[in-house]
Amino acid sequence: GAVVSQHPSWVICKSGTSVKIECRSLDFQATTMFWYRQFPKQSLMLMATSNEGSKATYEQGVEKDKFLINHASLTLSTLTVTSAHPEDSSFYICSASEDLIGGTDTQYFGPGTRLTVL
Amino acid sequence: GQQLNQSPQSMFIQEGEDVSMNCTSSSIFNTWLWYKQEPGEGPVLLIALYKAGELTSNGRLTAQFGITRKDSFLNISASIPSDVGIYFCAGPGGSNYKLTFGKGTLLTVNP
Repeated sequence: GAVVSQHPSWVICKSGTSVKIECRSLDFQATTMFWYRQFPKQSLMLMATSNEGSKATYEQGVEKDKFLINHASLTLSTLTVTSAHPEDSSFYICSASEDLIGGTDTQYFGPGTRLTVL
Repeated sequence: GQQLNQSPQSMFIQEGEDVSMNCTSSSIFNTWLWYKQEPGEGPVLLIALYKAGELTSNGRLTAQFGITRKDSFLNISASIPSDVGIYFCAGPGGSNYKLTFGKGTLLTVNP
């Protein structure tokens, strides 16, 4: 149980284009989903927290107009990197938490999406 | 903000050896999580700890939640080549159940 998928697993795009990454919880309903970015040989850095039906909460320094997050259902969240530039190239990972507020804090991670912007 | 100090940063061991890594925090955590990440993959949850003093095993892996609630360790016994990867400790900090991650321990196992 607790499987999270991401699509695509990798994407290459031209500078200036937008890229959408999907995150799905396959066998549970995710009240909250999280988006992380990971640069080579570094730890995961939280970008934003997404709650179903409400606006995402972005971490300090993360541009909300550049990284658009939509959490339209309890099983799907999307991250759109708008007007991507080479410095946006990174490994983007989502996670999902199946517990309601007041429950445990365990997050289950997707396999990640490797974005390369040329 | 909350910080997690994870050590060691890297380990090079021979197959069959036992491994120990730990994590300390600047503040109290109510949950400790240990993840393993292999190249090009997302982190996979290994062990979750929810109570101070708790000792939990998952196969050859054992983790403990420190009684001060500011530390945790992960042991791997009789390591095998497929144990290679980066091991992260994590704990929830602040609101919205955000996770704070340690910087990871890179484990290399020589056959």
